[in-house]
Amino acid sequence: QQQVKQSPQSLIVQKGGISIINCAYENTAFDYFPWYQQFPGKGPALLIAIRPDVSEKKEGRFTISFNKSAKQFSLHIMDSQPGDSATYFCAALKIQGAQKLVFGQGTRLTINP
Amino acid sequence: GAGVSQTPSNKVTEKGKYVELRCDPISGHTALYWYRQSLGQGPEFLIYFQGTGAADDSGLPNDRFFAVRPEGSVSTLKIQRTERGDSAVYLCASSRMTGTSGIEGDTQYFGPGTRLTVL
Repeated sequence: QQQVKQSPQSLIVQKGGISIINCAYENTAFDYFPWYQQFPGKGPALLIAIRPDVSEKKEGRFTISFNKSAKQFSLHIMDSQPGDSATYFCAALKIQGAQKLVFGQGTRLTINP
Repeated sequence: GAGVSQTPSNKVTEKGKYVELRCDPISGHTALYWYRQSLGQGPEFLIYFQGTGAADDSGLPNDRFFAVRPEGSVSTLKIQRTERGDSAVYLCASSRMTGTSGIEGDTQYFGPGTRLTVL
């Protein structure tokens, strides 16, 4: 059972455009939702994260939108740059306890110059 | 400072062999995690250590997999009688796990992974 579903699998955006990646979760016990960025040959790196009591969080060009009632959240990358080309993973965890991350399947983002 | 390091970066072995994968976490991080990432998929949780003890090993797929962290720092993931289906990138992550705020997750810092290929 896939607890966190992510779409699309791949995305191509022109430089300067907005990249949008969507995720949905099932387990209402999750209370922290990070996004990770992974470059080839590297481990995932935390990009931005949000709690479910906040509807939106912005850090620079990256924004998370969160819809608790729909159990959905999304990552928006404004003014997308070629250096943003990477694989992005949404994830979820429960803060109390092991904090083990449950990842989505990933989105391969390509920004065309 | 130095990040999480993992050795070897690549490991090729034959079906049925035993392998050990090593993780050096960030100094001072008490929490250590192992994840497995299959091609084109997100990482999947295997095991979590808080200090020296395995606090949660619910992600280990079967009893061929075992992990230790004897001194609360370096960890070794051990796989016995490897199978072709074990081929994947094995990722290690560490975090401070201070739990002081209780309202945000502790950032997990990932190593580059060990790519295991079982022929």
